[in-house]
Amino acid sequence: GQNIDQPTEMTATEGAIVQINCTYQTSGFNGLFWYQQHAGEAPTFLSYNVLDGLEEKGRFSSFLSRSKGYSYLLLKELQMKDSASYLCAVRDIDNAGNMLTFGGGTRLMVKP
Amino acid sequence: SAVISQKPSRDICQRGTSLTIQCQVDSQVTMMFWYRQQPGQSLTLIATANQGSEATYESGFVIDKFPISRPNLTFSTLTVSNMSPEDSSIYLCSVDEGAVGETQYFGPGTRLLVL
Repeated sequence: GQNIDQPTEMTATEGAIVQINCTYQTSGFNGLFWYQQHAGEAPTFLSYNVLDGLEEKGRFSSFLSRSKGYSYLLLKELQMKDSASYLCAVRDIDNAGNMLTFGGGTRLMVKP
Repeated sequence: SAVISQKPSRDICQRGTSLTIQCQVDSQVTMMFWYRQQPGQSLTLIATANQGSEATYESGFVIDKFPISRPNLTFSTLTVSNMSPEDSSIYLCSVDEGAVGETQYFGPGTRLLVL
């Protein structure tokens, strides 16, 4: 099985940069996903990493180190609308199908 | 990306009754999944909906409680049977997309409150 850890809550200031970390333990790593979820809404896909390195997509970037079982989501030029929960999820090749196992989520609060 | 719709978007039900949630995708997809998100919690996979065969359930979830249908590659249903207040949750379907399933998209969810 997987063990996925991420901080429960973070607070940052509008315009700043914030890094949300995720560590995982899995026997057959096959991809890491980041999702954004606003209160009362479904998760929205942000990024997918399967190889080591940084993937940049506008204000959001995601980094993966498979040897360390570590990923982070980097949000630049924070906006108030970025206040949401950010979910890290891992896919394990040992699982039947392509199911994802989710971490507990990090609730990010952006202050003016 | 695939467009996913769910019906109903929300419902309030009495304990002991059952509710069937529908998930419709605008394109054919191989993998469809049903997740549950209890209040203040992250997502937990209930089962993988397999087209033409029985669903594959995760530990803690059984077919009698959560029967699933997958009659074709664009549609699935999840039934929450004999409901209790502990079943109050958001139920989400999701689909894989991409050559290696590099994206998974979620439907808008069904908010269920059991009284």
